Amino acid sequence: DAGVIQSPRHEVTEMGQEVTLRCKPISGHDYLFWYRQTMMRGLELLIYFNNNVPIDDSGMPEDRFSAKMPNASFSTLKIQPSEPRDSAVYFCASSLRARKAGSTDTQYFGPGTRLTVL
Amino acid sequence: QKEVEQDPGPLSVPEGAIVSLNCTYSNSAFQYFMWYRQYSRKGPELLMYTYSSGNKEDGRFTAQVDKSSKYISLFIRDSQPSDSATYLCAMRTPNSGGSNYKLTFGKGTLLTVNP
Repeated sequence: DAGVIQSPRHEVTEMGQEVTLRCKPISGHDYLFWYRQTMMRGLELLIYFNNNVPIDDSGMPEDRFSAKMPNASFSTLKIQPSEPRDSAVYFCASSLRARKAGSTDTQYFGPGTRLTVL
Repeated sequence: QKEVEQDPGPLSVPEGAIVSLNCTYSNSAFQYFMWYRQYSRKGPELLMYTYSSGNKEDGRFTAQVDKSSKYISLFIRDSQPSDSATYLCAMRTPNSGGSNYKLTFGKGTLLTVNP
């Protein structure tokens, strides 16, 4: 399996522009997570989906951020309009629900998209 | 107070040293405790997990959970240069009803093992 695929790997844009980040989860996984990582705040969960349905979006910083999962193999995170403070590494992760009591699902992370907003 | 606190380091040790990495947390409902390793410019990868209290050993790595103190540790024995990475602790509450898979991460500790 190719693992979680994210694109683009790097994005440089100007303030006010729309940014779309893309993610292809591992085939068969039923959970998908979007994270943001910065030096100041560490790794923060933005939103996660179960079977393509958003479950918890309490980490989405504001209305400028939106995420969709139109099918089991694709998700997008959109920022419109982008601002310099959105500069960060954005990770997508996927997992398969653990079936055994006491076991936990492993989240598999993609390589991330490094976003710079000028 | 943040839910999970982790000393960011950096921590620099000679090859062969025993490394101790730690996190404290405030939410007593956390039951699953994980350590992720993140190499530079890569995504985190799960290293170990522990359910509830106790120890778990995997090769040179040992994870410990002390729920009474709300304190978790990761020990690395005979550390190698290839262990140089950022180590993030993560934890979550048990599943409930429609599932709760939200992980709360520490900020990570940057470890360098010098040859």
